[in-house]
Amino acid sequence: EAGVTQFPSHSVIEKGQTVTLRCDPISGHDNLYWYRRVMGKEIKFLLHFVKESKQDESGMPNNRFLAERTGGTYSTLKVQPAELEDSGVYFCASSQVSLVNEQFFGPGTRLTVL
Amino acid sequence: AQRVTQPEKLLSVFKGAPVELKCNYSYSGSPELFWYVQYSRQRLQLLLRHISRESIKGFTADLNKGETSFHLKKPFAQEEDSAMYYCALRGGQNFVFGPGTRLSVLP
Repeated sequence: EAGVTQFPSHSVIEKGQTVTLRCDPISGHDNLYWYRRVMGKEIKFLLHFVKESKQDESGMPNNRFLAERTGGTYSTLKVQPAELEDSGVYFCASSQVSLVNEQFFGPGTRLTVL
Repeated sequence: AQRVTQPEKLLSVFKGAPVELKCNYSYSGSPELFWYVQYSRQRLQLLLRHISRESIKGFTADLNKGETSFHLKKPFAQEEDSAMYYCALRGGQNFVFGPGTRLSVLP
């Protein structure tokens, strides 16, 4: 079992460009979460999917961020257009519905916006 | 509002010394508290949770509702304990993380 995987591991883009991050949860995990850590600050919750449905997207910073989870499998997080303050590490985590406390994290995607 | 604070950004101790990483929280209901750890070049992973009352890798943490604290302790630190430690609170479905404390155990 590879665990939660994220792609790419690093992304460097210019302000105004678009970036799409991908997360593949552990097979069978219906819960999928996105978090991010901007430089020097805490890890912040972005949103939570249960299967393909958005359960809670209260942490999404603004409408430049769009998350999808088509078919309830992998998820993408698109930032369009990217701004300097979007730089940080974006983490994905997954868990079983019955074991929501057991969140397994991916390695993260480091996004740098120049 | 849910909030987790970790007052120390960096904590350095010598091998064999006791270590305590502080965590305080604010939450209006009954929280579930966790400690996560991220070793160098590894992913974030769960270390322990208060409901299990377990000791993992020699670490323990006790939830003190009166002081709203969940400090992480180990009596004898080892060099392999060097890592980033995050205290987290779950209220409802989602987690709130503290800013993290980097523990450095010196030889």
